[in-house]
Amino acid sequence: NAGVTQTPKFQVLKTGQSMTLQCAQDMNHNSMYWYRQDPGMGLRLIYYSASEGTTDKGEVPNGYNVSRLNKREFSLRLESAAPSQTSVYFCASSEASAGQGEQYFGPGTRLTVT
Amino acid sequence: GIQVEQSPPDLILQEGANSTLRCNFSDSVNNLQWFHQNPWGQLINLFYIPSGTKQNGRLSATTVATERYSLLYISSSQTTDSGVYFCAVELGSSNTGKLIFGQGTTLQVKP
Repeated sequence: NAGVTQTPKFQVLKTGQSMTLQCAQDMNHNSMYWYRQDPGMGLRLIYYSASEGTTDKGEVPNGYNVSRLNKREFSLRLESAAPSQTSVYFCASSEASAGQGEQYFGPGTRLTVT
Repeated sequence: GIQVEQSPPDLILQEGANSTLRCNFSDSVNNLQWFHQNPWGQLINLFYIPSGTKQNGRLSATTVATERYSLLYISSSQTTDSGVYFCAVELGSSNTGKLIFGQGTTLQVKP
C-alpha cells in the first residue's frame, strides 16, 4: 500500500515551459487535493476534486489546470511556468466525498522555475 | 483578517519536556486537522478533530469549537518530534475539505 505517490520529485523549468505533475493514490479515496507550499509558509490549496469527474478551484488557482483522470489519479498542469510558481507542490487525498475526514499527503514535488 | 493563527511561531525544548501548541480560528469549523511536517518535508496527519479531545500516544489534541481554538499537547518530547506543526481548518458550514493552513509552529527538541 503506497498511499499517495507523486512524480516527479524534483523539476527545473524555464519560464514559459509547461509541465504536468502527477499524483496517484491507492486507498480508494474519493477526494483529492493539490497544495503549494512556499518557504516559511503553510500550505495553500490550488485545486481539489471531491469525486471522480469533478474539480473546483481553491485559494490560488491562477496559472494552473487540473484533471481528475479517474478515481486514483489527479494531475496538475502548468501551461506557461512563471518564477512565482517556484514552490513545493503536495497532493493529498481523503476518503470522504463530503469533505470530512483526514487528508493524507504525498511526498511532494520541488519545482524551480528560472 | 487572520483566519487561522498558530502560536508560538517557534519553540525550543529539551528532550523530555512537555509543550502546548495553540491554534485560533476566526469562524465556526466543521473540519480541523493537525499535521506534523518532519525535517525532510513529509506531512503526517496527527489528528482530525473538529471538536472534542483525542489522544494518540504522547500526543493529544483538544478543540473547543465554541471558543474557536484548538490545542495540541506533546508530552515527554523526543528529538523525533522536531519539525513544523500545522493546524488546518475549513471555516464556516461548507463541507468541501478546502483546508486553510496556519503558518505553523516550528519545534526543535534538543537531546
